[in-house]
Amino acid sequence: DVGMTQSPLSLPVTLGQPASISCRSSQSLVFSDGNTYLNWFQQSPGQSPRRLIYQVSNRDSGVPDRFSGSGSGTDFTLIISRVEAEDVGIYYCMQGSHWPWTFGQGTKVEIK
Amino acid sequence: EVQVVESGGGLVQPGGSLRLSCAASGFTFSPYSMHWVRQAPGNGLESVSAISGNGGNTYYANSVKGRFTISRDNSKNTLYLQMGSLRAEDTAVYYCAREGTPGTLDSWGQGTLVTVSS
Repeated sequence: DVGMTQSPLSLPVTLGQPASISCRSSQSLVFSDGNTYLNWFQQSPGQSPRRLIYQVSNRDSGVPDRFSGSGSGTDFTLIISRVEAEDVGIYYCMQGSHWPWTFGQGTKVEIK
Repeated sequence: EVQVVESGGGLVQPGGSLRLSCAASGFTFSPYSMHWVRQAPGNGLESVSAISGNGGNTYYANSVKGRFTISRDNSKNTLYLQMGSLRAEDTAVYYCAREGTPGTLDSWGQGTLVTVSS
């Protein structure tokens, strides 16, 4: 299985400040069709996961533009440019290039 | 509005069986691959199983292979997960999710809790 390693696992952030989450895969996530199927999900307390980003950097409709994704190959990053109170939750990266699809351990974002 | 709603969870004894259902609405069900993803209490997310739109291709995590069976009834817009030989480590919230485009899960249900305990 493809290992997905997130860091940090806990991220206390001051309101209005940026936050950055790293996700590294144990092998390249470039699929045979040339696309890279790396996703980011947000799970707010008591809620189901919600997709924020797909194919590395494509933001979902309705997702604030303070969320951005970048990276290639095996190294990926999610950035929240200015953290707001509603951003509290656990963030997961997930690869959809190799079955079984695998998730990172999750990064808990909280307000300082 | 795209919606998937899971049902069928509950308390089951070790070694027992349970069938989960996922009712889809708001989109044409048959073209889309569908997935089951689970989350043990206080833990992260784990892919369990997936099935192609016509049901011809199925995929399983090693942890459930030979014990779980995924299926779908496109005439009823419903996805299923038949779970057998259940173990304590299968205790989790089970989510149904749509593979909207390749390599991603764009719509998730609210989940259904399966507890395996004597």
